[in-house]
Amino acid sequence: NAGVTQTPKFRILKIGQSMTLQCAQDMNHNYMYWYRQDPGMGLKLIYYSVGAGITDKGEVPNGYNVSRSTTEDFPLRLELAAPSQTSVYFCATRRDELQPQHFGDGTRLSIL
Amino acid sequence: AQKITQTQPGMFVQEKEAVTLDCTYDTSDPSYGLFWYKQPSSGEMIFLIYQGSYDQQNATEGRYSLNFQKARKSANLVISASQLGDSAMYFCAMKWYSNYQLIWGAGTKLIIKP
Repeated sequence: NAGVTQTPKFRILKIGQSMTLQCAQDMNHNYMYWYRQDPGMGLKLIYYSVGAGITDKGEVPNGYNVSRSTTEDFPLRLELAAPSQTSVYFCATRRDELQPQHFGDGTRLSIL
Repeated sequence: AQKITQTQPGMFVQEKEAVTLDCTYDTSDPSYGLFWYKQPSSGEMIFLIYQGSYDQQNATEGRYSLNFQKARKSANLVISASQLGDSAMYFCAMKWYSNYQLIWGAGTKLIIKP
């Protein structure tokens, strides 16, 4: 019973490199979210999706892109990595209205 | 505008004492939900408890209970008989019915002293 699976768990990038953070869920949840958490801070929403083919910006979308071609997968793309994107990235899903979000274990990303 | 405030950046509590973590919110939407999450030092986000705006009773889940005061717009988390394993960051979050997003408080770092 995997729930929400994020890969990789850790990654170091050089400035200007690109990468995709993967998020997969097996709970058939429509709603999926990407957050970033900077050290000692709360969560900030990057992008979210309410179903396959539908995505929308959150609070801090600049420098990121997402796609949702299937219910299960919601990858987050960094095109030109910058030191300000050093953070822990969480993917979360939700079944429906006013239900709790289920989180992956996070991806710790460092941009050097 | 919707807003969540956690006024306690950090707290030290003696083991076995009860703990109250504050959370106030602001919304004009009559239908909303309030969530509490725990984030231990290992980093994962663990859902603790949920309170709906129309729920008549305060939510309880084991040692966790929610002191929901709707008129004051507060949803404080109460942990009874604290344990060393309760040391963690605690986040309050709110979702209102007309929006797909949760908004999150800044968190409270709770340290339980033996």
